[in-house]
Amino acid sequence: EAGVVQSPRYKIIEKKQPVAFWCNPISGHNTLYWYLQNLGQGPELLIRYENEEAVDDSQLPKDRFSAERLKGVDSTLKIQPAELGDSAVYLCASSFSTPHEQFFGPGTRLTVL
Amino acid sequence: GENVEQHPSTLSVQEGDSAVIKCTYSDSASNYFPWYKQELGKRPQLIIDIRSNVGEKKDQRIAVTLNKTAKHFSLHITETQPEDSAVYFCAASRGNNNDMRFGAGTRLTVKP
Repeated sequence: EAGVVQSPRYKIIEKKQPVAFWCNPISGHNTLYWYLQNLGQGPELLIRYENEEAVDDSQLPKDRFSAERLKGVDSTLKIQPAELGDSAVYLCASSFSTPHEQFFGPGTRLTVL
Repeated sequence: GENVEQHPSTLSVQEGDSAVIKCTYSDSASNYFPWYKQELGKRPQLIIDIRSNVGEKKDQRIAVTLNKTAKHFSLHITETQPEDSAVYFCAASRGNNNDMRFGAGTRLTVKP
């Protein structure tokens, strides 16, 4: 069984440019998460989806970040415009609604110059 | 919301020794406590988890203990090996993956 897939793995952009990350969860997983992980820190939740519904987006900086999961399967996270402080690893994870184990993707390492 | 604190931030042990990592949480309603291992440049992977209806869980060289009254839980690794070297994260949530919060991580180094 394939794990959580993310692309691209690495992205380098200049500040003020837009960027998008894609995630395909494990087949059958209803819940999808986007996390931000800064160097030396634990993952911080940006948004959680139950199927196609965003049920927890309180930590998502909505002025520049947006996300969608239109058909309740794969998801896209977008930043527009990117800022220097957005440089981090963006992790996607998925799980069944219950139980609770989250499976992480390999992440996208974003560098904003 | 939930706040998880993790100590120590770095831990160095000799191969064969035990390693203990501790976490505290703030939300008394939290009932699910996973531990993830993240090797350099790789994704976090679940190594063990515990729910609030048990006080201890063991899987070979890894064990987790939970003290609900004190709101802390710990990861114990016995007979450490160099391949145990990684960053370990604790997390806490109320279940159904609501409000899962991660600790800042512990970088474990096992010296051969």
